[in-house]
Amino acid sequence: GQQVQQSPASLVLQEGENAELQCNFSSTATQLQWFYQSPGGSLVSLLSNPSGTKHTGRLTSTTVTKERRSSLHISSSQTTDSGTYLCAIGTGANTGKLTFGHGTILRVHP
Amino acid sequence: EAAVTQSPRNKVTVTGGNVTLSCRQTNSHNYMYWYRQDTGHGLRLIHYSYGAGNLQIGDVPDGYKATRTTQEDFFLLLELASPSQTSLYFCASRRGDSYEQYFGPGTRLTVL
Repeated sequence: GQQVQQSPASLVLQEGENAELQCNFSSTATQLQWFYQSPGGSLVSLLSNPSGTKHTGRLTSTTVTKERRSSLHISSSQTTDSGTYLCAIGTGANTGKLTFGHGTILRVHP
Repeated sequence: EAAVTQSPRNKVTVTGGNVTLSCRQTNSHNYMYWYRQDTGHGLRLIHYSYGAGNLQIGDVPDGYKATRTTQEDFFLLLELASPSQTSLYFCASRRGDSYEQYFGPGTRLTVL
């Protein structure tokens, strides 16, 4: 079945540094979504980016569909960015089923 | 943005107990999904539905039933709960013409 690999598994930054998170997947994806999960568990959609580059605030996602990879760049990290970042892909068909990676745990220190 | 709510937010039950988790979305989305999240496994799809009265089996359906009573409401039923079903459960919804999913706040279930 579809596999989603995220790297690094964890990342520690000082406030103000940039972060680069990677997502690689085993099959062609028609949907790719990045999520943020807070330490308390709530899940928030950050970006939907099946191809190309998208920006929102300090976040930039670049997906290269042919190479089956996506990245999430966080600029000028803040302590409130700490949490887990999840990548999820959908592989077509109208079910919309998502397969999730295990996430990157980000800790930003003041 | 879509509004997806879940209740209860936390639930503790005993082995063999009956549990119903509720999900409501208020944006008339066609599709609704139930996921569970466990350490080491990430989020996995239990059941999903593309409309009232419809039910589709996901990737980890054993031990779970689901029912979509209306466009807005999707329920997950554990009729004989087991400790292996201790998990964080998420509900999500999406429009039929978009792949983007919107998630609820989650329900933390503990089966003793």
